[in-house]
Amino acid sequence: DVKVTQSSRYLVKRTGEKVFLECVQDMDHENMFWYRQDPGLGLRLIYFSYDVKMKEKGDIPEGYSVSREKKERFSLILESASTNQTSMYLCASSLFASYNSPLHFGNGTRLTVT
Amino acid sequence: RKEVEQDPGPFNVPEGATVAFNCTYSNSASQSFFWYRQDCRKEPKLLMSVYSSGNEDGRFTAQLNRASQYISLLIRDSKLSDSATYLCAVNIESGNQFYFGTGTSLTVIP
Repeated sequence: DVKVTQSSRYLVKRTGEKVFLECVQDMDHENMFWYRQDPGLGLRLIYFSYDVKMKEKGDIPEGYSVSREKKERFSLILESASTNQTSMYLCASSLFASYNSPLHFGNGTRLTVT
Repeated sequence: RKEVEQDPGPFNVPEGATVAFNCTYSNSASQSFFWYRQDCRKEPKLLMSVYSSGNEDGRFTAQLNRASQYISLLIRDSKLSDSATYLCAVNIESGNQFYFGTGTSLTVIP
């Protein structure tokens, strides 16, 4: 089974702090994704990466950056956390260039910014 | 216009009932389709992929209608444990982007 692991289940940070969310997958997947999920808005793509050191903006990249230094690890960075970034953050991975390859999600990080 | 739309529900059905959800997508270049199940405060988990010819997995049947641009999920003989939110997902041809519906809430009542 694919395992996608997010480093924290719950985080509480203060406004203005720099926040790192880490994600590791063990299935040698090329693609990795960061989503946030909010009630009524569903899952929204922040960034994705299809290779080491490659990144692409999703639908809501403002206020976020990412890092992919190793194939198995994809980090999401909130440069200066704000209260509107309070959300559930979900990391996911999938095989590259395989349209029938589904996303596999980590168990999520519930971030609260106060 | 949203890429993927679902009726949010809630659907409240008695045990043993058959329930169906639809999900419409706007991009005719969509290539692959999936249903996910999400329990409260947990991550989405893959329920099943949706193939062009339709596919079945036990009590669950998924179908794709490309002409009308929708996918469906049918659950037969509902169990209490089927209570969850069901998300549809669409992979667009142009990139490795997946678009999700906002989910349909199902509660199976004893």
